[in-house]
Amino acid sequence: KQEVTQIPAALSVPEGENLVLNCSFTDSAIYNLQWFRQDPGKGLTSLLLIQSSQREQTSGRLNASLDKSSGRSTLYIAASQPGDSATYLCAAKNSGYALNFGKGTSLLVT
Amino acid sequence: SAVISQKPSRDICQRGTSLTIQCQVDSQVTMMFWYRQQPGQSLTLIATANQGSEATYESGFVIDKFPISRPNLTFSTLTVSNMSPEDSSIYLCSASQTGTYEQYFGPGTRLTVT
Repeated sequence: KQEVTQIPAALSVPEGENLVLNCSFTDSAIYNLQWFRQDPGKGLTSLLLIQSSQREQTSGRLNASLDKSSGRSTLYIAASQPGDSATYLCAAKNSGYALNFGKGTSLLVT
Repeated sequence: SAVISQKPSRDICQRGTSLTIQCQVDSQVTMMFWYRQQPGQSLTLIATANQGSEATYESGFVIDKFPISRPNLTFSTLTVSNMSPEDSSIYLCSASQTGTYEQYFGPGTRLTVT
């Protein structure tokens, strides 16, 4: 069964800092990996989707990388802003329909 | 991408009652899903809502407890039956198209059972 782990569980940074969120998964036979943002009491917003054949995806200040062989993905946020404060979730898709989610990293930009 | 809405956004229900959650997508989608997010936990897939056939449930979830309908390619409902306090969670609807399998989520329904 796919296990997804996110480290750290919580992170507090000053505005303007660049930061990296980590996601690891146990089964490297993934179809894709997706990063989401969840604001308190709200649903999930899709940030980036990386297909298994890709190494990275970029959207604005966000860059996500994927290393299947080591079972890792990172989300890089450049020049963080208070509006980036949220919980960031990564989810790995293997065969079948289910996304396997990590527990998330709670980010606070002050 | 797809824009997904859910009703109700939140509800407080009594033990033993049932609640039906509606999910509407702004475009026709191939796949629709229902997830549960228990307090302090991550998301767990309940079932895949299949258009025109019975839903496919994940291990640990059964149709009698979580009946699902999907009458067309843009709409689905999830009913939480005979509720207990352990059912207090956020229930999220999601959708994806074949191809990229990127999933989009609704805003969720926050359910509290007293």
